[in-house]
Amino acid sequence: NAGVTQTPKFRVLKTGQSMTLLCAQDMNHEYMYWYRQDPGMGLRLIHYSVGEGTTAKGEVPDGYNVSRLKKQNFLLGLESAAPSQTSVYFCASSYSGRVRFFGPGTRLTVL
Amino acid sequence: SQELEQSPQSLIVQEGKNLTINCTSSKTLYGLYWYKQKYGEGLIFLMMLQKGGEEKSHEKITAKLDEKKQQSSLHITASQPSHAGIYLCGAASNTGNQFYFGTGTSLTVIP
Repeated sequence: NAGVTQTPKFRVLKTGQSMTLLCAQDMNHEYMYWYRQDPGMGLRLIHYSVGEGTTAKGEVPDGYNVSRLKKQNFLLGLESAAPSQTSVYFCASSYSGRVRFFGPGTRLTVL
Repeated sequence: SQELEQSPQSLIVQEGKNLTINCTSSKTLYGLYWYKQKYGEGLIFLMMLQKGGEEKSHEKITAKLDEKKQQSSLHITASQPSHAGIYLCGAASNTGNQFYFGTGTSLTVIP
């Protein structure tokens, strides 16, 4: 099993560009999450999903959109990137709402 | 949203010393999870505590949960350079759908 994978691992964008981060899990988990990690602020929840076709806002959803069209995939989109979105993004999944499995992270820089 | 405050924010100890990291919640805890993150990498689940008074150990790391005080502590005995990294606590919301993380504690162990 690959567990939780994230694509890409690194990305540099210019302000105003768009991109999509892909998270995939092969554990048949219902719950999936997107977090961002910034120095001194721990991980903050952006959006989450409790099942295929469902999504919900977390603590810091502004500027991001998500989709969960297939159970195994959770996509995070940035429509118009801003320097404030420079961060490390982590995807996570779980079967019970208690997070135990994480992806390796995506390091995004917005210039 | 639930807030998890960790202390200290950073810690530098000599190899062989004991240390404690605390995690305090702003709301009632329905279980508490501890994770370790090596610098530049993803999070690794360490252990979970589900009941008040529960204590768990893994190698030289022991965690306790005090539900009444809405806090947990992580204790490392005889620290080693391999213990270095960022330690985060995590907890689910009362609905069980959202999962929050603490602000993190950066640990450096000097050989």
